[in-house]
Amino acid sequence: EAGVAQSPRYKIIEKRQSVAFWCNPISGHATLYWYQQILGQGPKLLIQFQNNGVVDDSQLPKDRFSAERLKGVDSTLKIQPAKLEDSAVYLCASSSQRSGGGLNIQYFGAGTRLSVL
Amino acid sequence: AQSVTQPDIHITVSEGASLELRCNYSYGATPYLFWYVQSPGQGLQLLLKYFSGDTLVQGIKGFEAEFKRSQSSFNLRKPSVHWSDAAEYFCAVGPANQAGTALIFGKGTTLSVSS
Repeated sequence: EAGVAQSPRYKIIEKRQSVAFWCNPISGHATLYWYQQILGQGPKLLIQFQNNGVVDDSQLPKDRFSAERLKGVDSTLKIQPAKLEDSAVYLCASSSQRSGGGLNIQYFGAGTRLSVL
Repeated sequence: AQSVTQPDIHITVSEGASLELRCNYSYGATPYLFWYVQSPGQGLQLLLKYFSGDTLVQGIKGFEAEFKRSQSSFNLRKPSVHWSDAAEYFCAVGPANQAGTALIFGKGTTLSVSS
């Protein structure tokens, strides 16, 4: 089966510009996650969707970051305006289990590496 | 507070030697535990997972990990390292009773393999 697809793989922008990342999860996976991975650190959750509803966006800087998952499949993460500290790898992951029990195996895409100059 | 600690930022091992990467966690509930590997420019690949049962779990690429509840540890081991194992390794924890919840990751351990 196809894995989690992300695009673009790399993006370089100047501060105060806007940028968008796209994620296509594994077919049939109801749960989708966006993680931010700053150099030298582990991934940190930004937002989690269950189908097309938001489950957890407590760590999302909502003044500049937004995300949507229309129709419960693909998702887009946007940053506007970007800051220098947004330079990171943005990872998308998906899993098939709903909250409330069962396994929680998350499958990750290759990520988008963002450099803000 | 919920957290994962990987005490070793960088480890160098000779090819063919054994490997142990340490992971300690702090978690209020029964945890699910994971080890992921990340090669340069790649996403995270699941190496192995522990949910319940036998505390010694086998994973892909010859890796294994042992869950020790009394020590809150989940160390990753491999008896003989190959040059292709050079990568970054992440330990992660999630709640056992809330599938679909985001994982908490450690900061990672970078493994270098010398010839």
